[in-house]
Amino acid sequence: DAKTTQPNSMESNEEEPVHLPCNHSTISGTDYIHWYRQLPSQGPEYVIHGLTSNVNNRMASLAIAEDRKSSTLILHRATLRDAAVYYCILSMNYGGSQGNLIFGKGTKLSVKP
Amino acid sequence: EPEVTQTPSHQVTQMGQEVILRCVPISNHLYFYWYRQILGQKVEFLVSFYNNEISEKSEIFDDQFSVERPDGSNFTLKIRSTKLEDSAMYFCASGRDNQPQHFGDGTRLSIL
Repeated sequence: DAKTTQPNSMESNEEEPVHLPCNHSTISGTDYIHWYRQLPSQGPEYVIHGLTSNVNNRMASLAIAEDRKSSTLILHRATLRDAAVYYCILSMNYGGSQGNLIFGKGTKLSVKP
Repeated sequence: EPEVTQTPSHQVTQMGQEVILRCVPISNHLYFYWYRQILGQKVEFLVSFYNNEISEKSEIFDDQFSVERPDGSNFTLKIRSTKLEDSAMYFCASGRDNQPQHFGDGTRLSIL
């Protein structure tokens, strides 16, 4: 599986937008970009995924660079509950169900009131 | 919303003892997984299970580990003879075609 690179940590203020970057310069044409997050003392939670086009859902937006070598997870208004470790993961399968997920260290997001 | 449930939430076991971690995946899911996370470290893949057999396993998943889907609802991870280094959070996950994996909240395994 191709590798991803994320900042170790980021800080945000409550109710402000957060842009979490991820570099995946060796991504292959068939890799989907997935984002999961892990709140303290919980299991990983699916956030969003995409292939080439930008994606929106109720939790977040995913902006994918035209060359697909990077992507950005956007939380439009951070809340205290969004404080978590965010993982950017590449998977050959749509939705990621048909293969194991390779987790990196992720980005630890802190949200200040 | 359907959830993956894991029991127990915390398991304390003496080194050398057998332990079974239990998971109830989401009912219409077809793919099943175990991951583990040693305190302060990354989430690591252990094994995937599909169509009643192991489809992939990592180097961590050695002969001491086994998985089973004994009935239509449970998915278990057995460690035959636990070691101190098996202490970790163990996460079960399940999924189906074209949908993301859903994780349980884990079982914390403490080996004394």
